[in-house]
Amino acid sequence: GQNIDQPTEMTATEGAIVQINCTYQTSGFNGLFWYQQHAGEAPTFLSYNVLDGLEEKGRFSSFLSRSKGYSYLLLKELQMKDSASYLCAAMDSNYQLIWGAGTKLIIKP
Amino acid sequence: DADVTQTPRNRITKTGKRIMLECSQTKGHDRMYWYRQDPGLGLQLIYYSFDVKDINKGEISDGYSVSRQAQAKFSLSLESAIPNQTALYFCATSDPGQGESGELFFGEGSRLTVL
Repeated sequence: GQNIDQPTEMTATEGAIVQINCTYQTSGFNGLFWYQQHAGEAPTFLSYNVLDGLEEKGRFSSFLSRSKGYSYLLLKELQMKDSASYLCAAMDSNYQLIWGAGTKLIIKP
Repeated sequence: DADVTQTPRNRITKTGKRIMLECSQTKGHDRMYWYRQDPGLGLQLIYYSFDVKDINKGEISDGYSVSRQAQAKFSLSLESAIPNQTALYFCATSDPGQGESGELFFGEGSRLTVL
């Protein structure tokens, strides 16, 4: 079957760095997405990886290893506004998204 | 104004009632989707449409129906609502031709409570 695993909750300190991991099993693979979702709001797109390696966008970076079925989202210089859920989603061979349950990130001062 | 608009944003109804959630978009995207989100679970796809004449079932379509009235409008109906359909519902659009990833653009969500 198809499956996405990511931690349920993580806690980090303002100004620090946090890495949120995601492992996936899909029938075929057409890319890995990360979305940010603040409580009660819609998810918003953060990143897309389809090739192995690291993609950097400001304070956020996303990494993909296709051979390991593994991705991570790296958040640097954490700010209180980064408190949110982070959703990992893999696109299968039919271009359908398989979603993880999300990682709730709590930022402490 | 939001590019993807959902109405109503909140709705409380009773078991057995018919409910319609509406979605309209100004992004000009052909692809539209309806998802539901439950606490502790990932987003689950209900239905999707790649153009006005195309409707496809997602992973949890039972108990739901949809209508694609125009490129910009995609509505979700619950013919006879039941309590386990209480959830947060999202409409989304995408247009892979305009970007490398085909990222989804979500509406603000419709919170439905079935008593």
